[in-house]
Amino acid sequence: AQKVTQAQTEISVVEKEDVTLDCVYETRDTTYYLFWYKQPPSGELVFLIRRNSFDEQNEISGRYSWNFQKSTSSFNFTITASQVVDSAVYFCALSEPSLYNTDKLIFGTGTRLQVFP
Amino acid sequence: NAGVTQTPKFQVLKTGQSMTLQCAQDMNHEYMSWYRQDPGMGLRLIHYSVGAGITDQGEVPNGYNVSRSTTEDFPLRLLSAAPSQTSVYFCASSLTGRLNYGYTFGSGTRLTVV
Repeated sequence: AQKVTQAQTEISVVEKEDVTLDCVYETRDTTYYLFWYKQPPSGELVFLIRRNSFDEQNEISGRYSWNFQKSTSSFNFTITASQVVDSAVYFCALSEPSLYNTDKLIFGTGTRLQVFP
Repeated sequence: NAGVTQTPKFQVLKTGQSMTLQCAQDMNHEYMSWYRQDPGMGLRLIHYSVGAGITDQGEVPNGYNVSRSTTEDFPLRLLSAAPSQTSVYFCASSLTGRLNYGYTFGSGTRLTVV
């Protein structure tokens, strides 16, 4: 079965530091999707990125970047020059085929990032 | 365009009480689902639906009932609440249920069972 491992339970950094959140996944599928979500203290889930298994290009969006490596089954997330507003729980998730030609999301346990001023 | 609306946002129940968590979407999405979030466990799928009249179980369905009579609504029923059901519940919808379309999540319902 699919599995997502976020080994870092909690990370604390000082503002302006760079920080990388690790995500390792297991799947037998050749076609799948990987996601990152942010959950700020207010509790909602904020979508950050979706990446399909055929696209191994790294992606950058402002201070955020993602490194997808199929060879190591990893999809790591880096925040450059972190800010206090980046403090949140970050979830990595993987698609798993389900009935009725649908997918479900398999979530990791999350990494709590605290950015101190 | 409200997206996915969950009500209530907070609820406290006594053990054995019943209640329904509401989820509504206005995007004409066929696929709707319920996840629960527990500390240290991420989010886990409870039930999902691929259209009116069609539902299926997810990873943690015990203690929950669902039905889908309209495209817009997908309520989650707790028939006899237990402390183990204390959690944050998220409803999510998608156009078809394939993740190339992504999910839209509601803002969550925090449920405490005492």
